[in-house]
Amino acid sequence: AQTVTQSQPEMSVQEAETVTLSCTYDTSENNYYLFWYKQPPSRQMILVIRQEAYKQQNATENRFSVNFQKAAKSFSLKISDSQLGDTAMYFCAFIHYSGAGSYQLTFGKGTKLSVIP
Amino acid sequence: KAGVTQTPRYLIKTRGQQVTLSCSPISGHRSVSWYQQTPGQGLQFLFEYFSETQRNKGNFPGRFSGRQFSNSRSEMNVSTLELGDSALYLCASSLVAGGPSTTNTGELFFGEGSRLTVL
Repeated sequence: AQTVTQSQPEMSVQEAETVTLSCTYDTSENNYYLFWYKQPPSRQMILVIRQEAYKQQNATENRFSVNFQKAAKSFSLKISDSQLGDTAMYFCAFIHYSGAGSYQLTFGKGTKLSVIP
Repeated sequence: KAGVTQTPRYLIKTRGQQVTLSCSPISGHRSVSWYQQTPGQGLQFLFEYFSETQRNKGNFPGRFSGRQFSNSRSEMNVSTLELGDSALYLCASSLVAGGPSTTNTGELFFGEGSRLTVL
């Protein structure tokens, strides 16, 4: 079974500081994709960053970057220069083939990040 | 381009009733997935539809059902509501059904959700 584990239910960071959110996953597949999604309070979930497992280079999107360790099945998210608008639930997700041409996202339980002024 | 639209945004029902939630995907998107979000269980996959066919279903009882119309709009229905069905129900659409590739990011676009409270 595919599982995604986020071991930090809640975290806080001072504005302008850097924070790292942890994620580990379990899969027997070799080619797959990992995502970090952000869900601000009472707002819709949006994609933050995406990583293809076949790429060794870590993905970056402006202030957001990942540390992808394929052998360790680890996929952490680093947020640099934290801003108040980064306050949100962050979900790590893993996409996998579930049969009949269908792909399914499995999510971790989320990390609630609070950015403190 | 309009995003994923879910209606209603909030609703309150009592045990034993049924509810229907609606989702309009982004124009051109043919795959629609549904997720249940609760504080205890997080996000759990309900089902996915593509071209009016349910292609995958999560581990939920038969009280949870859905369908997709020819215009890709989707509905999900929950019958005989239980207190534990109280949750945020999220709909997500994606452009293609073939999964992620070098030309398809595999990204899901989510709606704001329908918050169901069962009393």
